[in-house]
Amino acid sequence: AQSVTQLGSHVSVSEGALVLLRCNYSSSVPPYLFWYVQYPNQGLQLLLKYTSAATLVKGINGFEAEFKKSETSFHLTKPSAHMSDAAEYFCAVSLSGGSYIPTFGRGTSLIVHP
Amino acid sequence: SQTIHQWPATLVQPVGSPLSLECTVEGTSNPNLYWYRQAAGRGLQLLFYSVGIGQISSEVPQNLSASRPQDRQFILSSKKLLLSDSGFYLCAWSLQGPGNTIYFGEGSWLTVV
Repeated sequence: AQSVTQLGSHVSVSEGALVLLRCNYSSSVPPYLFWYVQYPNQGLQLLLKYTSAATLVKGINGFEAEFKKSETSFHLTKPSAHMSDAAEYFCAVSLSGGSYIPTFGRGTSLIVHP
Repeated sequence: SQTIHQWPATLVQPVGSPLSLECTVEGTSNPNLYWYRQAAGRGLQLLFYSVGIGQISSEVPQNLSASRPQDRQFILSSKKLLLSDSGFYLCAWSLQGPGNTIYFGEGSWLTVV
């Protein structure tokens, strides 16, 4: 079985500040990990995913995430927030074996202040 | 390239009325298909998924049902809507197998009044 926990339902940053969205996972086998972004009234779109290649994964819009097995974490970062980054962000985990249907976290709303 | 279409985008239905949300995928064959519901502050709830025509797995027993009459068509239905069925419904697809990205439709807002 797998699960994912996103710490903080809301994160507020100033424009130009570092963005850090936290995700911890639980998985009995090596996981696949995903970050998705959702803009208001839209579906989710993939930001990046980890598939056991490089532990530092670069995604779209300047985001990146680092897989840390010892910490069971996959935190999402961006060096400098932009107003257009304001959205809902979801972390997801799926297994490399068995039922591979992803499990999503509850989401973190990123608020960017001018 | 692959695309996913979901309709209607917005729906207001009275309690007790039926529901039909439709989703089609283009540009791929034999995809996994999913229906999710999203309620405020509760993240994504997987309702149904399908790995092939006529094969439906239900994740949460409730007032809804799903069908896959064709390879790339997925339908979410209800015979009698409840107020609690209100929410944002998302159809999605992925390739078969582990580690594949899920691609989402634009969503359907359902308000039951």
